[in-house]
Amino acid sequence: DQQVKQNSPSLSVQEGRISILNCDYTNSMFDYFLWYKKYPAEGPTFLISISSIKDKNEDGRFTVFLNKSAKHLSLHIVPSQPGDSAVYFCAASAVQGAQKLVFGQGTRLTINP
Amino acid sequence: DTGVSQDPRHKITKRGQNVTFRCDPISEHNRLYWYRQTLGQGPEFLTYFQNEAQLEKSRLLSDRFSAERPKGSFSTLEIQRTEQGDSAMYLCASSLKGATEAFFGQGTRLTVV
Repeated sequence: DQQVKQNSPSLSVQEGRISILNCDYTNSMFDYFLWYKKYPAEGPTFLISISSIKDKNEDGRFTVFLNKSAKHLSLHIVPSQPGDSAVYFCAASAVQGAQKLVFGQGTRLTINP
Repeated sequence: DTGVSQDPRHKITKRGQNVTFRCDPISEHNRLYWYRQTLGQGPEFLTYFQNEAQLEKSRLLSDRFSAERPKGSFSTLEIQRTEQGDSAMYLCASSLKGATEAFFGQGTRLTVV
């Protein structure tokens, strides 16, 4: 049972444009959401997070939006840069500070010059 | 470098052999996690320590898997009688208590032949 789903295995965006990565979840107990970025041969790197009491969190070029009623979150990257090319994982936990994360399958983002 | 360190980076073993991986977390982090990632999937939670106590184990962790964290510092993950299905990337992560954002190591890629 895939509780966190990233339905797009890959996404290609032109440099300078907006990248939008999507994530859906099924478990209504999830209360805290995170995005991780992963380069080849490296472990995932924490990018940005959002608590369910918010619907938006912004950090520089990265913004995460949460729609609790739709059980959907998205990561916006603007403007997209070649260094953003990586695999992006959406993750969720039942409460902030919880012990474990449930990850989606990942979306490979490619930024084209 | 004060990040999460994992050793070895790569391990090739014959089916039926035992393997052991080591993880050194960020020094001030009291929580340590093990995840497993297979091709095309996101990381899956295996087990979690707070200091030296193993507080949760996933149902994914069969009896052939054992993890320890003596003295609440480094951790080891042992797989006995390896099977081809154990081939995966084994990721270690650490965090401060109360923080959901975990910091990952580069992983140990296990190949069982």
